[in-house]
Amino acid sequence: EAQVTQNPRYLITVTGKKLTVTCSQNMNHEYMSWYRQDPGLGLRQIYYSMNVEVTDKGDVPEGYKVSRKEKRNFPLILESPSPNQTSLYFCASSRGRSSYNSPLHFGNGTRLTVT
Amino acid sequence: TQLLEQSPQFLSIQEGENLTVYCNSSSVFSSLQWYRQEPGEGPVLLVTVVTGGEVKKLKRLTFQFGDARKDSSLHITAAQPGDTGLYLCAGEGYDMRFGAGTRLTVKP
Repeated sequence: EAQVTQNPRYLITVTGKKLTVTCSQNMNHEYMSWYRQDPGLGLRQIYYSMNVEVTDKGDVPEGYKVSRKEKRNFPLILESPSPNQTSLYFCASSRGRSSYNSPLHFGNGTRLTVT
Repeated sequence: TQLLEQSPQFLSIQEGENLTVYCNSSSVFSSLQWYRQEPGEGPVLLVTVVTGGEVKKLKRLTFQFGDARKDSSLHITAAQPGDTGLYLCAGEGYDMRFGAGTRLTVKP
């Protein structure tokens, strides 16, 4: 089954404790992206990757890091989480950046709480 | 500031009613997508519209892209409880921008 898998689904942590949210897709997609979803603000892009070893900032990259060492994996790293990073996070992938012929496939989300 | 404004933000209706939700922007998009998101899941694509004035139908759902490719609407006929969810529009220009969504509840 074609899917995007995120782990963990839920995470509660404390300020400053480094964490990684993993994302893996099995569709051989070149494009992967991370979003955060906050009430009233919709989905905002954090980082995206056009291919292996190619990453770029989205709209809200501050406080986040990513890496793309393999095509299927795109982990999101919070080196020093803060309470304002409490949010619902989604990983998504598609064949290419243009969504016209290649819609975004989303994972089921990671709900992060930073106290 | 939301590039894409969706209205209404919340909508609660009875089964069998019709409804329309809107997605508006001052920007022109090369394409516009509608997604539905259910609790505990990620958004799932419903449709992509590309041409100004385009109308697409998906069973009881009718999607329209504005002539100027700045706005879109989603009309649901005879809503069912299974239509309950968060409806998101996303416009593609240089990159993809999402609206904040319309949260629809259809009561049996």
